[in-house]
Amino acid sequence: IAGITQAPTSQILAAGRRMTLRCTQDMRHNAMYWYRQDLGLGLRLIHYSNTAGTTGKGEVPDGYSVSRANTDDFPLTLASAVPSQTSVYFCASSDSNSGDAGELFFGEGSRLTVL
Amino acid sequence: GQNIDQPTEMTATEGAIVQINCTYQTSGFNGLFWYQQHAGEAPTFLSYNVLDGLEEKGRFSSFLSRSKGYSYLLLKELQMKDSASYLCAVSPGDYQLIWGAGTKLIIKP
Repeated sequence: IAGITQAPTSQILAAGRRMTLRCTQDMRHNAMYWYRQDLGLGLRLIHYSNTAGTTGKGEVPDGYSVSRANTDDFPLTLASAVPSQTSVYFCASSDSNSGDAGELFFGEGSRLTVL
Repeated sequence: GQNIDQPTEMTATEGAIVQINCTYQTSGFNGLFWYQQHAGEAPTFLSYNVLDGLEEKGRFSSFLSRSKGYSYLLLKELQMKDSASYLCAVSPGDYQLIWGAGTKLIIKP
């Protein structure tokens, strides 16, 4: 069982370029999340999706977009990367139907460096 | 605003006991989570508290006091592999989690 798969694992990107981080889960979880993690700060929510076809903005959504065409996939796109988007990005999912986050299952992370 | 506070770093000795505290102020409360994160890895779930009291799971226990906005994670019989960051997170009840910055636990022989 793979759980959550993220790609790429690591990427160096020139500022201004477009980048999509991929996330796929095989647990049939309804909720999916994208977080960024920076040194000294807690995990910050970028976007989330409660169920296929719906998405919502988290704490730091600017400069990012997501889509949820089906249950399994939840890609994160940086339309025009900037150096402040240098971070480690984690995709997560949960099997929660009660309105709370539930236990989160995380992917291994994508380390992005924007120069 | 919503806020979660936990110590930045703690040091403990192998075989000892350590308590990591977490205080929170959130708009709502639908449970508190503790996650473990080893350096360079993803967070993994440790515990969940929604009612006041102590939840025990092997060497790890987690305590919650909702009236005080306070939780702690207790680690017993510390092992070197317990060296990691411990993240406290609160669910305010809207499919999201509010995260603390994490406590880096260093275990010394």
